[in-house]
Amino acid sequence: GQNIDQPTEMTATEGAIVQINCTYQTSGFNGLFWYQQHAGEAPTFLSYNVLDGLEEKGRFSSFLSRSKGYSYLLLKELQMKDSASYLCAVMDSNYQLIWGAGTKLIIKP
Amino acid sequence: GAVVSQHPSRVICKSGTSVKIECRSLDFQATTMFWYRQFPKQSLMLMATSNEGSKATYEQGVEKDKFLINHASLTLSTLTVTSAHPEDSSFYICSARYFEREEQFFGPGTRLTVL
Repeated sequence: GQNIDQPTEMTATEGAIVQINCTYQTSGFNGLFWYQQHAGEAPTFLSYNVLDGLEEKGRFSSFLSRSKGYSYLLLKELQMKDSASYLCAVMDSNYQLIWGAGTKLIIKP
Repeated sequence: GAVVSQHPSRVICKSGTSVKIECRSLDFQATTMFWYRQFPKQSLMLMATSNEGSKATYEQGVEKDKFLINHASLTLSTLTVTSAHPEDSSFYICSARYFEREEQFFGPGTRLTVL
């Protein structure tokens, strides 16, 4: 079967760095997405990785290792507004998104 | 960036009535639209995938006669919850993409409350 694993919840301090991991087992691979979702709102796109390596976009970076079925989202200089759920999703061989359950990130002052 | 709108943003209805939710891609043509449901503190659950001009593909466990999906044009898809019941109360979110390899752009969601 297809499976996406990510931690349920993480806590970090304002100004610090946090890494949210995602491991996956899917039927084929056509890229991995990270989305941010604030409570009561729809998800917003953060990043897309299809090749191995690190993609940096401002305070957020995303890493992919296809051989290990592993990705992480790195958030630097954390701000209170970064408190949200972070969803990892993999596009399988049929170009369908397989969603993880999301990681709730709590930022403390 | 690509913008997807949903209407209404919030709806309250009586049990037994039907509710229609519209999803529009405002600045691009969406070959595929997706409908999700999200219960409180849970992740997104894909309900169905719809391609313009063809019947929607429903996920296992989703009743196609209860959740009617119409994707009549490249910019509009509708979800009708028929004979709604309190257990249908949820956050319904649509998304759209225009190429298979592209990310999905999400609408703002519709919060449905069935009394």
